[in-house]
Amino acid sequence: AQTVTQSQPEMSVQEAETVTLSCTYDTSESDYYLFWYKQPPSRQMILVIRQEAYKQQNATENRFSVNFQKAAKSFSLKISDSQLGDAAMYFCAYRSAVGGSQGNLIFGKGTKLSVKP
Amino acid sequence: NAGVTQTPKFRILKIGQSMTLQCTQDMNHNYMYWYRQDPGMGLKLIYYSVGAGITDKGEVPNGYNVSRSTTEDFPLRLELAAPSQTSVYFCASSPTGYYGYTFGSGTRLTVV
Repeated sequence: AQTVTQSQPEMSVQEAETVTLSCTYDTSESDYYLFWYKQPPSRQMILVIRQEAYKQQNATENRFSVNFQKAAKSFSLKISDSQLGDAAMYFCAYRSAVGGSQGNLIFGKGTKLSVKP
Repeated sequence: NAGVTQTPKFRILKIGQSMTLQCTQDMNHNYMYWYRQDPGMGLKLIYYSVGAGITDKGEVPNGYNVSRSTTEDFPLRLELAAPSQTSVYFCASSPTGYYGYTFGSGTRLTVV
């Protein structure tokens, strides 16, 4: 069974600085998708970024980028120019691309990010 | 476009009571999911459905039941509520197995 591990329960960053959130996963599959979700205090789950395992190029979305290391099974999220609105819980998630897998997302336990003004 | 709509947003139940959490999506997504979120534990899959009439258990199905009579609706039924079911419940949908989910806004349930 696949597992997702986020080793940093809490992180803190100064406004306008850069922060990296770590995520590792365990799988025997070669084809899968990885995601980062943001959950602000409003509780709404918001998709931040998505990475397909067969793509070597790291995904980017504005100030958010990932460092995807397939061999190391690592998928970190970098937030540049941090803003107060980035304060939230961040979840890393894995989704199998194997046919018939039903596409269930497997989540890590989350990292709570605080942004200091 | 409403996306995924969950009702109610908050609910307090007494031990032994039953209730249904409603979930509706208007995006014609085939895949729908129910997760529960407990503090420090991430999200755990309760049940999922890959289309109308098809449902299956996830990681933590005990104490819950679901049905999927239409593409749009995926209600979650709690029978004989227990304090261990105190949690935040999320419904989500996806067009196929290859995209991220669209989540509802969640239901905070407290069983006392």
